[in-house]
Amino acid sequence: DAMVIQNPRYQVTQFGKPVTLSCSQTLNHNVMYWYQQKSSQAPKLLFHYYDKDFNNEADTPDNFQSRRPNTSFCFLDIRSPGLGDAAMYLCATSRDRQGADEKLFFGSGTQLSVL
Amino acid sequence: TQLLEQSPQFLSIQEGENLTVYCNSSSVFSSLQWYRQEPGEGPVLLVTVVTGGEVKKLKRLTFQFGDARKDSSLHITAAQPGDTGLYLCAGTGGYSTLTFGKGTMLLVSP
Repeated sequence: DAMVIQNPRYQVTQFGKPVTLSCSQTLNHNVMYWYQQKSSQAPKLLFHYYDKDFNNEADTPDNFQSRRPNTSFCFLDIRSPGLGDAAMYLCATSRDRQGADEKLFFGSGTQLSVL
Repeated sequence: TQLLEQSPQFLSIQEGENLTVYCNSSSVFSSLQWYRQEPGEGPVLLVTVVTGGEVKKLKRLTFQFGDARKDSSLHITAAQPGDTGLYLCAGTGGYSTLTFGKGTMLLVSP
């Protein structure tokens, strides 16, 4: 009964070749997030959607874009992947904006390799 | 920027041992959450602590929020191999996005 589903689990792309990662949720949550997690590092928030309202973190590179065509789906587009973009990409949802009682539901992640 | 420091970064113990991991900050948080992340998977929420001094228990896991709401600890009693994973703490200062620590990687050997 997966609630936040990420596809694919593993993605290999070439340097500079655009790649799209997908996330879907069955929780009907308002908020969807994309995190980047490199080995031995904290998950780093790239951006999030509150419904259709897009919120970009100040230090997220322009190379990263996102789309949320409907409540259930959210996509992460990397326009020109570099070697430094190899990481685990985690999608998460929450019912409402993060406050004291909100919790995140994470997908299993997509491990991106850049050759 | 609110920062969370977790210690130790890595811990390798034998089954049956007890352990404590720490999450510290110079900032006050409205709440702290603890997640466990198994290799190749996304983090899963274990607990949320909200009140200063609060203690919550989840089977063999005991979580404490510092009185000043700047730090938290996780104590595991009689660790088992199934406890292996990356333990992440994450804090929120209200209606802002969560700040994650780098985590403590725990390895419990049979």
